Amino acid sequence: GAGVSQSPRYKVTKRGQDVTLRCDPISSHATLYWYQQALGQGPEFLTYFNYEAQPDKSGLPSDRFSAERPEGSISTLTIQRTEQRDSAMYRCASSRLGGSDTGELFFGEGSRLTVL
Amino acid sequence: SQKIEQNSEALNIQEGKTATLTCNYTNYSPAYLQWYRQDPGRGPVFLLLIRENEKEKRKERLKVTFDTTLKQSLFHITASQPADSATYLCALDGRSSNTGKLIFGQGTTLQVKP
Repeated sequence: GAGVSQSPRYKVTKRGQDVTLRCDPISSHATLYWYQQALGQGPEFLTYFNYEAQPDKSGLPSDRFSAERPEGSISTLTIQRTEQRDSAMYRCASSRLGGSDTGELFFGEGSRLTVL
Repeated sequence: SQKIEQNSEALNIQEGKTATLTCNYTNYSPAYLQWYRQDPGRGPVFLLLIRENEKEKRKERLKVTFDTTLKQSLFHITASQPADSATYLCALDGRSSNTGKLIFGQGTTLQVKP
């Protein structure tokens, strides 16, 4: 697509429910990132993919968080048994280059998750 | 521990003046550093990238410096305009851990008054 697309834009869920967020990156981009951004803070790294490989998931806060990119394009971020502290903006970004030279990131508009 | 620090206090300046934002880091050896602009409710937008072997980079009214000895980058906006009001984020690569991940600072909010 022309830009990075994320869905849903807003998600309200009850504590304990599972949530899946979706990211559709720019079609030619090799690398895809997931970030978590709290209000007034910069994006916090969660994980990233080079095509379908996931070289680094060190930023995932707990084993309740997982991400997939099975065919090297669309990615999902799943949070199981959501907790109130998971409430945040989740941002996806993609980059044209792969490997360790990422170049600029193109961000989506984000998915705002609220856990009640 | 690894840390990226930007001035958390908002920067207020008068239109036409030069805005200077600071990004300091510790315990990183980045190959490059990037600056992004973020408007309220929107995703960050890339502005400039500067590599470790570059001292300075310019783009229109923007200028970025990178001092790997001081572990600091300065971001300048000359002839600032109210439309430059936004949050500015610095980000650097995790080369020290040999990954492609980009680590962001917390951002500095710039307010340009007419």
